[in-house]
Amino acid sequence: DTGVSQNPRHKITKRGQNVTFRCDPISEHNRLYWYRQTLGQGPEFLTYFQNEAQLEKSRLLSDRFSAERPKGSFSTLEIQRTEQGDSAMYLCASSVRGQGSSYEQYFGPGTRLTVT
Amino acid sequence: AQTVTQSQPEMSVQEAETVTLSCTYDTSESNYYLFWYKQPPSRQMILVIRQEAYKQQNATENRFSVNFQKAAKSFSLKISDSQLGDTAMYFCAFRDDYKLSFGAGTTVTVRA
Repeated sequence: DTGVSQNPRHKITKRGQNVTFRCDPISEHNRLYWYRQTLGQGPEFLTYFQNEAQLEKSRLLSDRFSAERPKGSFSTLEIQRTEQGDSAMYLCASSVRGQGSSYEQYFGPGTRLTVT
Repeated sequence: AQTVTQSQPEMSVQEAETVTLSCTYDTSESNYYLFWYKQPPSRQMILVIRQEAYKQQNATENRFSVNFQKAAKSFSLKISDSQLGDTAMYFCAFRDDYKLSFGAGTTVTVRA
């Protein structure tokens, strides 16, 4: 078990370009989450999957954002027509039912996006 | 929406001493989970400790312990015998159904 992995680790893009990030959860974890973290702040929830179904989307997730989790394994987060305000760390986490339904979330290293 | 408040932006502690981080939250739920996560500089978020709201006993993990006051909606973290490797940003987080709601974090610096 190698933990949650995310690629790329860093992405620099020009405003208006599209970017796609990938997250590979821990094996057998049926829940997958995306969060966004800006400098000096706590992560903010974006969206969540149970298996392949996207069950919740935050109001932070504008129409330019889309996330998928085909076959309930890895997930991708795409941002279209990037804006400077999209610059942030994008974190992925995964979980499985634990003791007492805790669903402890394990985080990946994140993808740092810089929009110039 | 749940809100989590960490009122201490920064804390500094001498190696081997104890530091306590505060956290308060607001919810109308009766069953939920609380967590403390550690985020070292340029490294990924690590779960430190968790507390289930229906358990009155405070959680402990080695040098880390919590003081959970459900009525006051308070969830503080105590780090005993601080080590240099404890230097990190610490986030308090609340979970009701699926998502985590995080506080703004407290930067802890352990001085040698």
